[in-house]
Amino acid sequence: KQEVTQIPAALSVPEGENLVLNCSFTDSAIYNLQWFRQDPGKGLTSLLLIQSSQREQTSGRLNASLDKSSGRSTLYIAASQPGDSATYLCASSGGGADGLTFGKGTHLIIQP
Amino acid sequence: DTAVSQTPKYLVTQMGNDKSIKCEQNLGHDTMYWYKQDSKKFLKIMFSYNNKELIINETVPNRFSPKSPDKAHLNLHINSLELGDSAVYFCASSQGAGGSGNTIYFGEGSWLTVV
Repeated sequence: KQEVTQIPAALSVPEGENLVLNCSFTDSAIYNLQWFRQDPGKGLTSLLLIQSSQREQTSGRLNASLDKSSGRSTLYIAASQPGDSATYLCASSGGGADGLTFGKGTHLIIQP
Repeated sequence: DTAVSQTPKYLVTQMGNDKSIKCEQNLGHDTMYWYKQDSKKFLKIMFSYNNKELIINETVPNRFSPKSPDKAHLNLHINSLELGDSAVYFCASSQGAGGSGNTIYFGEGSWLTVV
């Protein structure tokens, strides 16, 4: 059974810093991996989706990498802003209609 | 214009009651899901519907029953509510199964509190 772990559970950094959020998964036979953002009292917003055949995806200041062999993914946020404060979740898909297996998230605070 | 909408957003009810949460998606997707986020913020899938057929049911008590009148709707019915059912319930949808490589879109959640 797939297990997804996110480290750190919480992170607080000053505005402007570059930062890395980590995600690891136990079963490397994933179909894809997604990074989501969740704001308090809100649903999930998809940030990046990496197919199993890809190594990374970029969107603006965000870059997500995937290393299936080591069971790891990272989300890199460049030049952080207070508006980036949220909980970031990674989730893996094993294919089929089994939905996503989520990590418990990293609660990120960017200090102005 | 909300892609995945669910109602109600907040629901407070007494133990033993029966309640429903409705979900609609206007994306033309053929797969819909219900996820539960517990008090520790851990998200876990409950159900997946593809072309009106239940695909998976992840050890969810049979007091929970998904009902899909059509491809755009997946409602969640909960009978005999218990205190432990208090959580945030998220509806989601995707084109094809989530593992097909397509992004899953989530609704904004329904906060259920059982007292």
